[in-house]
Amino acid sequence: RKEVEQDPGPFNVPEGATVAFNCTYSNSASQSFFWYRQDCRKEPKLLMSVYSSGNEDGRFTAQLNRASQYISLLIRDSKLSDSATYLCVVNGRLTGGGNKLTFGTGTQLKVEL
Amino acid sequence: DADVTQTPRNRITKTGKRIMLECSQTKGHDRMYWYRQDPGLGLRLIYYSFDVKDINKGEISDGYSVSRQAQAKFSLSLESAIPNQTALYFCATSDFIGDLTQETQYFGPGTRLLVL
Repeated sequence: RKEVEQDPGPFNVPEGATVAFNCTYSNSASQSFFWYRQDCRKEPKLLMSVYSSGNEDGRFTAQLNRASQYISLLIRDSKLSDSATYLCVVNGRLTGGGNKLTFGTGTQLKVEL
Repeated sequence: DADVTQTPRNRITKTGKRIMLECSQTKGHDRMYWYRQDPGLGLRLIYYSFDVKDINKGEISDGYSVSRQAQAKFSLSLESAIPNQTALYFCATSDFIGDLTQETQYFGPGTRLLVL
């Protein structure tokens, strides 16, 4: 089983739609969770952190379910500019101490007119 | 100017050649990382460093080596390149200050490497 699993998509949605991505993780000891966004042929960039209580940033809402070990990202009122690959990222421990980020393979979103 | 830079941005080399990928950062972060990205596999950690001259292996370090001689620079070497090292390579820094929930990694623009 992969440490972090995501549906690769692509999710093709019309502009203005609401779309949700899910991600599952295998390490129950993981403590921090993130969504990164990666545009085609570009570097990943932090979109938002995910907290136990859930968090919202404008049109984006992230939620964490520790019992089921999954993380979700909801995008409301999709824009063409939201087209990208969304990476689910979970922390794990490094042997040398500190934080190792494990990346999912990403879910591709295409927003269409 | 970008905070994390990588050189070269693209590189084509032949099997058996030694190559070096450079990463520089102006963010003042102590922690630096090298990842590779392959289609369908996500980003995988090659090596990481928490301070100057501190070197630690990641999950796929075989065939690679790194050097951290200064806080701002972290270089990745392929001593004898092979075709399955063809990938997109990212350098990253992080602003870890003790709270795992707050660490953010900042990535360079990537280096596309093709080994023939």
